[in-house]
Amino acid sequence: ETGVTQTPRHLVMGMTNKKSLKCEQHLGHNAMYWYKQSAKKPLELMFVYNFKEQTENNSVPSRFSPECPNSSHLFLHLHTLQPEDSALYLCASSQDSADQPQHFGDGTRLSIL
Amino acid sequence: QKEVEQNSGPLSVPEGAIASLNCTYSDRGSQSFFWYRQYSGKSPELIMFIYSNGDKEDGRFTAQLNKASQYVSLLIRDSQPSDSATYLCAASTGGFKTIFGAGTRLFVKA
Repeated sequence: ETGVTQTPRHLVMGMTNKKSLKCEQHLGHNAMYWYKQSAKKPLELMFVYNFKEQTENNSVPSRFSPECPNSSHLFLHLHTLQPEDSALYLCASSQDSADQPQHFGDGTRLSIL
Repeated sequence: QKEVEQNSGPLSVPEGAIASLNCTYSDRGSQSFFWYRQYSGKSPELIMFIYSNGDKEDGRFTAQLNKASQYVSLLIRDSQPSDSATYLCAASTGGFKTIFGAGTRLFVKA
């Protein structure tokens, strides 16, 4: 496999469920990102990890919990989400800093019932 | 609030014409600028990046940067229907934060 892979592609969950989104990159990059994309809004940066260490937490509610066990894998754990959290969640990676181009996965389309 | 502004469009051009997409940014400390293309239901795909003032050409695409005016543009020559997509402008000030615009929808008429 090449590039950035995200699973699942689609997820429907109730507000009381717990689920996790997974991202894996095969590009040898050191930085990984979670973004939220809502209709007609700019991409919102949620979290950034560099060499497994979290470098950015963009005031994201605690119902979103990231985990980065190594430079190739990134998770987003979801718990007690709200309907407004329904969106496309995109994972991206870059060689190092955000001054370099980011490569995106196909995203997870999340719907909260 | 650091922002990247784009006209939401849609920008409609005939096939074979030049499409001109524009973007302004608010943070003068921005150093790196990117254009991504996003087809409906797909993820963003890098088209161009530019770091220095002036023009940068890659095939049918030309990125232009004017730091004094805080302005970035993307020209697409010989536009094709397959170029129809949303184009996202993004700016980075270094570190790990990239600010994205909301995107401009481009429609190329056959």
